[in-house]
Amino acid sequence: IQLTQSPSFLSASVGDRVTITCRASQGISTYLVWYQQKPGKAPTLLIYAASTLQGGVPSRFSGSGSGTEFTLTISSLQPEDFATYYCQHHNSYPITFGQGTRLEIK
Amino acid sequence: QVQLQESGPGLVEPSQTLSLTCTVSGGSITSGNFYWSWIRQPAGEGLEWIGRVHTSASTNYNPSLTSRVTISLDTSKNQFSLKLNSVTATDTAVYYCARGNGGSTFDSWGQGTLVTVSS
Repeated sequence: IQLTQSPSFLSASVGDRVTITCRASQGISTYLVWYQQKPGKAPTLLIYAASTLQGGVPSRFSGSGSGTEFTLTISSLQPEDFATYYCQHHNSYPITFGQGTRLEIK
Repeated sequence: QVQLQESGPGLVEPSQTLSLTCTVSGGSITSGNFYWSWIRQPAGEGLEWIGRVHTSASTNYNPSLTSRVTISLDTSKNQFSLKLNSVTATDTAVYYCARGNGGSTFDSWGQGTLVTVSS
């Protein structure tokens, strides 16, 4: 199963609302996870089961979708949110990740 | 709070075997219904899942690597390990170990270790 994220690159300002899309090549129910990765660091879990916020993650992050189309939304960008975001499915083997969306400050 | 730490050689010669260990602290590697995975990331690129081992010692591998990879548990040391044989330059990457909660939601990660394949 291939995951395609769009856009691959996003330039935005503090306070903006941004949405990242992840499309699966076939249906994956809600077996979809979102991670944030900052340079030189391991990814950190943001959202699992497509829409469940991991403990400790700010509520400005939200996820939605099922089947083949999913979105990650950040309601009001904060300076610490500028990073690369990955989606990942675990509907079947092999587990795969999207190619990433790099979010940079405008 | 479980913590994971990768260790192993940072340089491996082509055609040799890459061997890494992940030490788990803050919890037993055999407790709970967890899967312990290896994931890698070439410089400037995305993430690739390599494979996983369950607390029962059952394994699943990425079909693209299955002929070269072995992942195993060492319960006496609270560790799990990765062996990747016949390496080439394309195996150069940062290698992460991670805990899969509920199967494959990676909720804890090691800091990553860079492995370079070069003579």
